[in-house]
Amino acid sequence: ETGVTQTPRHLVMGMTNKKSLKCEQHLGHNAMYWYKQSAKKPLELMFVYSLEERVENNSVPSRFSPECPNSSHLFLHLHTLQPEDSALYLCASSMRYGENTEAFFGQGTRLTVV
Amino acid sequence: GQNIDQPTEMTATEGAIVQINCTYQTSGFNGLFWYQQHAGEAPTFLSYNVLDGLEEKGRFSSFLSRSKGYSYLLLKELQMKDSASYLCAALDSNYQLIWGAGTKLIIKP
Repeated sequence: ETGVTQTPRHLVMGMTNKKSLKCEQHLGHNAMYWYKQSAKKPLELMFVYSLEERVENNSVPSRFSPECPNSSHLFLHLHTLQPEDSALYLCASSMRYGENTEAFFGQGTRLTVV
Repeated sequence: GQNIDQPTEMTATEGAIVQINCTYQTSGFNGLFWYQQHAGEAPTFLSYNVLDGLEEKGRFSSFLSRSKGYSYLLLKELQMKDSASYLCAALDSNYQLIWGAGTKLIIKP
């Protein structure tokens, strides 16, 4: 148990569906992250929020839309995904953004797009 | 460009010692992390090195050479539960984490 909880653990969705991934942390951390993990590839940073403000501008397709309503919760809204978006989506948090503090990860959502 | 290299897979025997290497090329450097990730689980923090040398933490040790852009994770007295992927990640000058693809460690009895 890392203190970061993600739901759902598994998700199968069609290319026309709309779904959302949820992440929750009660560690008092100020920074939250979404990563994509594909087999045998490095973790890809998708989005970063610091104090509820989006701070990274990585080139992520608009079919992925993040939302951070407060410092404890982070969402990833999905719509019209492609099969190549199938991957493990990991949420993480850290004490502060832009420092050498360790990240705490959730167990991830295994997403399959059919 | 920025890059992390680590072996894709390694096999070792229970009770033995294994060393997982990681080389990095980054724009600036603010330290290197090692994480452990069991299949289907969250990556969990193992170690952080920013100064040259060896840091020991129980059965696990991590080494860093900044001049060589090189780190290794040393696992002693291997146990079956050590079967996992080990992720190396370097912090660049902007404190962005550059990740390796991970090393899958298989422990055999």
